[in-house]
Amino acid sequence: KAGVTQTPRYLIKTRGQQVTLSCSPISGHRSVSWYQQTPGQGLQFLFEYFSETQRNKGNFPGRFSGRQFSNSRSEMNVSTLELGDSALYLCASSLGDRVIDEQFFGPGTRLTVL
Amino acid sequence: QKEVEQDPGPLSVPEGAIVSLNCTYSNSAFQYFMWYRQYSRKGPELLMYTYSSGNKEDGRFTAQVDKSSKYISLFIRDSQPSDSATYLCAIPPPRNAGNNRKLIWGLGTSLAVNP
Repeated sequence: KAGVTQTPRYLIKTRGQQVTLSCSPISGHRSVSWYQQTPGQGLQFLFEYFSETQRNKGNFPGRFSGRQFSNSRSEMNVSTLELGDSALYLCASSLGDRVIDEQFFGPGTRLTVL
Repeated sequence: QKEVEQDPGPLSVPEGAIVSLNCTYSNSAFQYFMWYRQYSRKGPELLMYTYSSGNKEDGRFTAQVDKSSKYISLFIRDSQPSDSATYLCAIPPPRNAGNNRKLIWGLGTSLAVNP
């Protein structure tokens, strides 16, 4: 069974640009969550989608947005990039929508903002 | 005070050592506790979970919960270089936390097991 895939794996952007990251969950998984990981803040929750609906949202500015498609694939978008957005962005999928359901993570997209 | 506290380390031990990784939490209503392991350049993966109090063993790994102290531990016996990774605790909020329930993550402890 293929794992969670994320594209691209690495990205370099400059301040003010926007970026779109993509996540393909494990086949059959309907829940997709996005996280930002930095050394100082650890894993911070961005949002969760289940069956194309955003169910949960973290405390990030509106520059961060996401969506989920009917095939459960998900994208997240960051507009007007800032230096502080440099981080590892992780996508995780789970079979159900319970908070205790095991999350399966992709390898992440490493975003560097110059 | 953060809901979950975890010392980020780094922790460096010789091969074969017993490793103790810990998290403290503030909400006595927490019932379910998870440990994820993250290798370099990979996403986290679920290692173990426990419900309520007590111990749970899986091979060389033991997860322990002390609810009276609000303290959870992950022990690794006979540690191996392949155990070198970051270990994160994750705690789901209780059911009465409302609709915006999401996992509460520790910062992660970086562990290096030296041959």
